[in-house]
Amino acid sequence: AQSVAQPEDQVNVAEGNPLTVKCTYSVSGNPYLFWYVQYPNRGLQFLLKYITGDNLVKGSYGFEAEFNKSQTSFHLKKPSALVSDSALYFCAVRDWGLMDSNYQLIWGAGTKLIIKP
Amino acid sequence: NAGVTQTPKFQVLKTGQSMTLQCAQDMNHEYMSWYRQDPGMGLRLIHYSVGAGITDQGEVPNGYNVSRSTTEDFPLRLLSAAPSQTSVYFCASKLAIGGEQFFGPGTRLTVL
Repeated sequence: AQSVAQPEDQVNVAEGNPLTVKCTYSVSGNPYLFWYVQYPNRGLQFLLKYITGDNLVKGSYGFEAEFNKSQTSFHLKKPSALVSDSALYFCAVRDWGLMDSNYQLIWGAGTKLIIKP
Repeated sequence: NAGVTQTPKFQVLKTGQSMTLQCAQDMNHEYMSWYRQDPGMGLRLIHYSVGAGITDQGEVPNGYNVSRSTTEDFPLRLLSAAPSQTSVYFCASKLAIGGEQFFGPGTRLTVL
């Protein structure tokens, strides 16, 4: 069975400090991994994805994520946080070896990121 | 391109009423889906479609119907609204299995 966990409901970071939003996953085969961001009263926006290749993936707005197969993690990071990064962040996973027409992603519950000036 | 559009943005229904949430995309995406978002539960897939004329159930399909007569449109119908269907509903589309999803702005539905 596929699953994804975001262990922190909320992360608080001071502006200018590095930030990390955690995500761990469980799949039978190899994972597709995604990060999306949701600003207040808006739909979700794609940040970055990992399918294969380099374990460090760079995405939008200066975010990056590191795929760690041994720890089954895909943590989202940014070297220097901005107040405008405050939003709800979702991790999602799919086992790309599944041979079915359902392209369903399994979504984490979300982590609220608060950047304080 | 307008991307993914949803109407209405807000809706209040009484228990037992029916309504249709509209979703359209102008990116020629084959894959479309409907999610509901509830606090602390992330996104849950209601129904999805892999192309015109093809639909299937997701994780929480009960109480909802969908159809896909064109590539562009994917309406979600609530047959008899219940308070448990109070939620924010998102429509999404994507080009390919491994691709990113594009989300609409959402519909906030309250069932009294």
